[in-house]
Amino acid sequence: NAGVTQTPKFRILKIGQSMTLQCAQDMNHNYMYWYRQDPGMGLKLIYYSVGAGITDKGEVPNGYNVSRSTTEDFPLRLELAAPSQTSVYFCASIPTGTDTQYFGPGTRLTVL
Amino acid sequence: QQQVKQSPQSLIVQKGGISIINCAYENTAFDYFPWYQQFPGKGPALLIAIRPDVSEKKEGRFTISFNKSAKQFSLHIMDSQPGDSATYFCAASSKGNTPLVFGKGTRLSVIA
Repeated sequence: NAGVTQTPKFRILKIGQSMTLQCAQDMNHNYMYWYRQDPGMGLKLIYYSVGAGITDKGEVPNGYNVSRSTTEDFPLRLELAAPSQTSVYFCASIPTGTDTQYFGPGTRLTVL
Repeated sequence: QQQVKQSPQSLIVQKGGISIINCAYENTAFDYFPWYQQFPGKGPALLIAIRPDVSEKKEGRFTISFNKSAKQFSLHIMDSQPGDSATYFCAASSKGNTPLVFGKGTRLSVIA
């Protein structure tokens, strides 16, 4: 996973609760991404960042927020959890000067 | 709108056989086409990638074939092994580290 860390690994939330999924890399990568993976649906981009202080929406941003105050960290925030947000969330980053996207180990989130 | 269409959804291959997974894309601005391999409970990992200036790229038992005019590319796994059993995703992106667009994935099972 080239040093991309995600916490927690698993989490169960009740409807309406909020939480932050953490993603960090210590390799000074500028590009970072958040995806969600649902069975049979591939990976869908939620948000991405091309550097500290810069974020942009992906394909499925509704219900999520992000921030990028440092190069190392790219947290994903769920404000009012809904059952539709039950999924596996992956963070990824790209080393400068390459195209290879390295993924973290994922966070499995269940909203009940 | 699905920009990258992947088939088949699932594939069962005998040990030693050839596994073939196909992808088709619509956006002619795409210029980077990676394949990712994902084992259960893990994040996707880059397997092999190609750019449109070549029609084929081979790394060990894995080969990408690329047909620019047909807007199609495929992954061939020669001498398939049980350890190749995983989910495979094709993806595509445009110049400048634009976010990857993923296919929906193919679950490959290699049986002895």
